Amino acid sequence: SQQGEEDPQALSIQEGENATMNCSYKTSINNLQWYRQNSGRGLVHLILIRSNEREKHSGRLRVTLDTSKKSSSLLITASQAADTASYFCATEGAGNNRKLIWGLGTSLAVNP
Amino acid sequence: DSGVTQTPKHLITATGQRVTLRCSPRSGDLSVYWYQQSLDQGLQFLIQYYNGEERAKGNILERFSAQQFPDLHSELNLSSLELGDSALYFCASSVEPGETQYFGPGTRLLVL
Repeated sequence: SQQGEEDPQALSIQEGENATMNCSYKTSINNLQWYRQNSGRGLVHLILIRSNEREKHSGRLRVTLDTSKKSSSLLITASQAADTASYFCATEGAGNNRKLIWGLGTSLAVNP
Repeated sequence: DSGVTQTPKHLITATGQRVTLRCSPRSGDLSVYWYQQSLDQGLQFLIQYYNGEERAKGNILERFSAQQFPDLHSELNLSSLELGDSALYFCASSVEPGETQYFGPGTRLLVL
């Protein structure tokens, strides 16, 4: 069953704008991870945020985690055409299971 | 380059046939994961191995099997292939279960 659900399913913006994607999940987690996938390529890890963290930054990426709402957001600032890709969240369930459960992804198109 | 290698890159075969996909994890990674990605099903987790032992099973069909060898490389065997098995098959590896996964470039399987 899907744990993470990304929202929106698809997003189209202009270069230079910010893009925000959200991920909701159902059960307690150890960590939440965001990945990016260019068309037909393997997924690339972006950021891992642990359950005791609230915010993390990496370059133009900002991830927040609200465990009370069981949700996370990925913000890409000053988007570029090269950011066009699908973005997935994955959650590692709390406890010893240590299995990642994946969402269906958000497809982002950044128009030049 | 993630450090995860997969062979072959492309595979075209006929229904009813059997194929083997191969994955070499990043140096030092003990966990290997297999995923299937198709247009209508999204990214589906198939199976996970840790240090040679099966760790978790996802939506893997009985016609599919996998193993991880002592040198930590893994093979995914797909048998009695059907048209619906056409998809991208990704292998990923991580140091420990639940941690960041590094994806290979994938094997694109086409069943005719």
